[in-house]
Amino acid sequence: DAMVIQNPRYQVTQFGKPVTLSCSQTLNHNVMYWYQQKSSQAPKLLFHYYDKDFNNEADTPDNFQSRRPNTSFCFLDIRSPGLGDAAMYLCATSRGLAGSDTQYFGPGTRLTVL
Amino acid sequence: RKEVEQDPGPFNVPEGATVAFNCTYSNSASQSFFWYRQDCRKEPKLLMSVYSSGNEDGRFTAQLNRASQYISLLIRDSKLSDSATYLCVVNILKSTGNQFYFGTGTSLTVIP
Repeated sequence: DAMVIQNPRYQVTQFGKPVTLSCSQTLNHNVMYWYQQKSSQAPKLLFHYYDKDFNNEADTPDNFQSRRPNTSFCFLDIRSPGLGDAAMYLCATSRGLAGSDTQYFGPGTRLTVL
Repeated sequence: RKEVEQDPGPFNVPEGATVAFNCTYSNSASQSFFWYRQDCRKEPKLLMSVYSSGNEDGRFTAQLNRASQYISLLIRDSKLSDSATYLCVVNILKSTGNQFYFGTGTSLTVIP
């Protein structure tokens, strides 16, 4: 019973070729997050949506964009991937209603840039 | 200053050992606290929430000290399957939703 689903699990793209990663959730959570995680590092928050409201982190490059067309789906667009963008991309959700809310992660998409 | 600081590790311990991880957080407005486990090339998975009174789940005990802004995780009778990275996570509810702050993680290897 997958609750946060990410597709594809593995994505290979060429330098500069746009790529879109997909996330969906069955939890009906208000908040959806995109994290970038590189080897031996903590997940780094790129941005999140609270319902339809987009919240960008100050240090997220413009190369990264996101869309949330409805409650269930959220997309991460990388407009011109560079070699430094190779990483695991994690989608997560939370209810966004209480300070005690937990966060649920999808399995991640591992991006390779050639 | 980082929001969450963790022991850098790595920890290499023999099977059956007891190991403790520590974590400090900087924002006194932090509302909830968690330990996540992350296996190599997998997503983080919630291990346990951490409460002020302390909580235990089998071989795992978590403790929170709000006055010192300190969180700990104790693993007793370590198993090979406990080998993973353990992430300390702090939650602050803002008007934009829950904001989760991650420590850098502590790597544990349990040796036969």
